[in-house]
Amino acid sequence: GQQVMQIPQYQHVQEGEDFTTYCNSSTTLSNIQWYKQRPGGHPVFLIQLVKSGEVKKQKRLTFQFGEAKKNSSLHITATQTTDVGTYFCAGGSQGNLIFGKGTKLSVKP
Amino acid sequence: DTAVSQTPKYLVTQMGNDKSIKCEQNLGHDTMYWYKQDSKKFLKIMFSYNNKELIINETVPNRFSPKSPDKAHLNLHINSLELGDSAVYFCASSQGRTVNYGYTFGSGTRLTVV
Repeated sequence: GQQVMQIPQYQHVQEGEDFTTYCNSSTTLSNIQWYKQRPGGHPVFLIQLVKSGEVKKQKRLTFQFGEAKKNSSLHITATQTTDVGTYFCAGGSQGNLIFGKGTKLSVKP
Repeated sequence: DTAVSQTPKYLVTQMGNDKSIKCEQNLGHDTMYWYKQDSKKFLKIMFSYNNKELIINETVPNRFSPKSPDKAHLNLHINSLELGDSAVYFCASSQGRTVNYGYTFGSGTRLTVV
């Protein structure tokens, strides 16, 4: 079935380092959403990108949607311990929202 | 006020039992979902309802039966529970029927089958 691949599966960084997670789809997506799930918590909606080549920023977080609408990335500048959690992308395709498997971020103080 | 509330938060039960999980949203959203998150954190869609109408029914065992008495409620009943059903079950809701709206998730129900 339709899949959205997300890499890396895990990322360990030192506080202050940057972090990036990538999502790829084999087919064109209508939109991409990003969610954050803190340890023991539930996924929380962060943002949605719809347009080809779109870039959005939320403080230290930068979200990009590829020109072909098949890939996306989330970049965190200067990570903090509050950034720990699992980041999921979710791509819209044929009326369904397909979640990637997530990237688990740990931050060492 | 909790936007999407699920009960119970934890559920420990024996194999073969039948159990239900309830979900309610007070956001006025049209669409509600059930997701299963396994131990590897993979989020898998199970069901989706729009205004009480079933619109997504992924390949799940027919031991799982959703019920939506109104658009603010979506319950999940599970018959003959198996060890492999152990997971966290999330209810979610979104405005509208398309994928163009962000989902609001409940806090989850951690089901443990022993």
